[in-house]
Amino acid sequence: AIQMTQSPSSLSASVGDRVTITCRASQGIRNDLGWYQQKPGQAPKLLIFAASTLHSGVPSRFSASGSGTDFTLTISSLQPEDFATYFCLQDYSYPFTFGQGTKVEI
Amino acid sequence: QVQLVQSGAEVKKPGATVKVSCKASGYAFSDYYMHWVRQAPGQGLEWMGWINPKSGVTVYAQEFKDRVTMTSDTSIRTVYMELRRLRSDDTAVYYCARDMTGDDDFDHWGQGTVVIVSS
Repeated sequence: AIQMTQSPSSLSASVGDRVTITCRASQGIRNDLGWYQQKPGQAPKLLIFAASTLHSGVPSRFSASGSGTDFTLTISSLQPEDFATYFCLQDYSYPFTFGQGTKVEI
Repeated sequence: QVQLVQSGAEVKKPGATVKVSCKASGYAFSDYYMHWVRQAPGQGLEWMGWINPKSGVTVYAQEFKDRVTMTSDTSIRTVYMELRRLRSDDTAVYYCARDMTGDDDFDHWGQGTVVIVSS
């Protein structure tokens, strides 16, 4: 199975900060990667698909890039509602695999 | 609006079987694959497989292949995930998630079903 390694596993940031999360795949996955946000007690929400396409309704402060093995999610100006855990998901090959998550804390 | 409503929490003994349902509304049920993802307490997310509700075709993660069955009933717009021979490490929240475009991006999720496996 393809391993997805996210970094950092957690970070502390303030409102207004620029935050970058990375995800590295153990082998090339083209651009078959999504980013999800999960808040405690809630289901994940889709932010980004196809590595860099913003899902409908997601604020434009979220952006992402990457292809092959290295991917990044950037929040340009952190808002109070963005404190959550973020996961990447590769859907290039079975079994689909998630990164271990990055918890963004105040 | 799209809604996925899952069945309620379950407590099972090791070796038992659990069947979780996911009822869809607000869209053309048969046109979107449905995936199942689980999350153990305090852990990350684990993909289990998907079902094409129209054809019943399924793809399962190898880890679950011998123990899981996903089915659909188009007449009541519901998909099911059955997991057999439960173990304590199957304790998790189980989610259904709609495949947005057939490209394995999950745009709507159920609220989750807690399954606890304990003797």
